[in-house]
Amino acid sequence: AQTVTQSQPEMSVQEAETVTLSCTYDTSESDYYLFWYKQPPSRQMILVIRQEAYKQQNATENRFSVNFQKAAKSFSLKISDSQLGDAAMYFCAFQGGSEKLVFGKGTKLTVNP
Amino acid sequence: DAGVTQSPTHLIKTRGQQVTLRCSPISGHKSVSWYQQVLGQGPQFIFQYYEKEERGRGNFPDRFSARQFPNYSSELNVNALLLGDSALYLCASIRRGGWSTDTQYFGPGTRLTVL
Repeated sequence: AQTVTQSQPEMSVQEAETVTLSCTYDTSESDYYLFWYKQPPSRQMILVIRQEAYKQQNATENRFSVNFQKAAKSFSLKISDSQLGDAAMYFCAFQGGSEKLVFGKGTKLTVNP
Repeated sequence: DAGVTQSPTHLIKTRGQQVTLRCSPISGHKSVSWYQQVLGQGPQFIFQYYEKEERGRGNFPDRFSARQFPNYSSELNVNALLLGDSALYLCASIRRGGWSTDTQYFGPGTRLTVL
């Protein structure tokens, strides 16, 4: 069974600074997808970024980018120029050859003005 | 286009009761997944439905059931509620579903409290 581990329960960053959230996963599959979702206090789970395992190039979405290390089974999220609106729970998720997403326990990000 | 909608927003039930949660996917999406998120945890997969058929089931007891209607909306039913069923129930909309890896887009959730 796949597992996703987020080792940082909480992180904080100063506004306009850069922060990196860590995620590792365990799988025996070779083809899979990885995601970062953001969940603000409003509870809505919002897709931040998606990475296909077969792509060597790291995904980027505006201020959000990932560092995908397939051999190390590592998938970290970098947030540049942090904004107050980035404050939320961030979940790393794995999807292999099945229909379900497997989530980590989340990292609570605080952005300090 | 409207996003994923879920109803009700909040629900309070007592132990032993039954509850029905509803979800409407994004227009054009044919698949719905249900997740349970207990406070302080990541979501756990319950079911996926595609074209009205169950395509996947997580490790949940038979008290949990679901169905999908011809308009692709879905209901999640939980019978004989336990205190441990208190959670945020999330619905995700998927364009194709089944064994595809289309991105899952989530609704705002239904907060269920069991007393």
